[in-house]
Amino acid sequence: GQQVMQIPQYQHVQEGEDFTTYCNSSTTLSNIQWYKQRPGGHPVFLIQLVKSGEVKKQKRLTFQFGEAKKNSSLHITATQTTDVGTYFCAGRKAAGNKLTFGGGTRVLVKP
Amino acid sequence: GEEVAQTPKHLVRGEGQKAKLYCAPIKGHSYVFWYQQVLKNEFKFLISFQNENVFDETGMPKERFSAKCLPNSPCSLEIQATKLEDSAVYFCASSQSESQNQPQHFGDGTRLSIL
Repeated sequence: GQQVMQIPQYQHVQEGEDFTTYCNSSTTLSNIQWYKQRPGGHPVFLIQLVKSGEVKKQKRLTFQFGEAKKNSSLHITATQTTDVGTYFCAGRKAAGNKLTFGGGTRVLVKP
Repeated sequence: GEEVAQTPKHLVRGEGQKAKLYCAPIKGHSYVFWYQQVLKNEFKFLISFQNENVFDETGMPKERFSAKCLPNSPCSLEIQATKLEDSAVYFCASSQSESQNQPQHFGDGTRLSIL
């Protein structure tokens, strides 16, 4: 079946530094979504990528979809304490199919 | 409503008892999804509904787990004869449309503790 893997599982970042989390699918995706879950909270939708090679930015967050539509990345610049949480990618094989979530990258920020 | 409402927030059951969780999707959303999250790890998809019809149940354990979405009622997820391994946070999500690449809006979850 379809598998979505995320690395790293944990990311300890010094406040102000940049980091990247990666998402890899075993199959070609129709689209990929990113969610953020704060400790004790529920996942909140961040963004969706649909086109091959697509890049989208949200303030300090940059999302990229690979050319082959099998991988994606989230890059955060100048990390802040508000960035703490777990970032999940979720891929969909085809329109109408369910989302398959990755294992998440848990981000801890050192002030 | 404007948010996915899940009840109860926390449910404690003894092993072997029944557990029933409820979810009211956002008004106007046609699709409902149930996920199981164990130890804050990845979300295991259980089942999805399009209105009151099962859309995808490939993640649903064949035994003990059942779910319904009836008209004019909250959706429900029921676990019969609970086991210790059923302890998890169960999230419900809704979206306007499964096929239009819509984001899923999650509720706050129900934390199920099996003792």
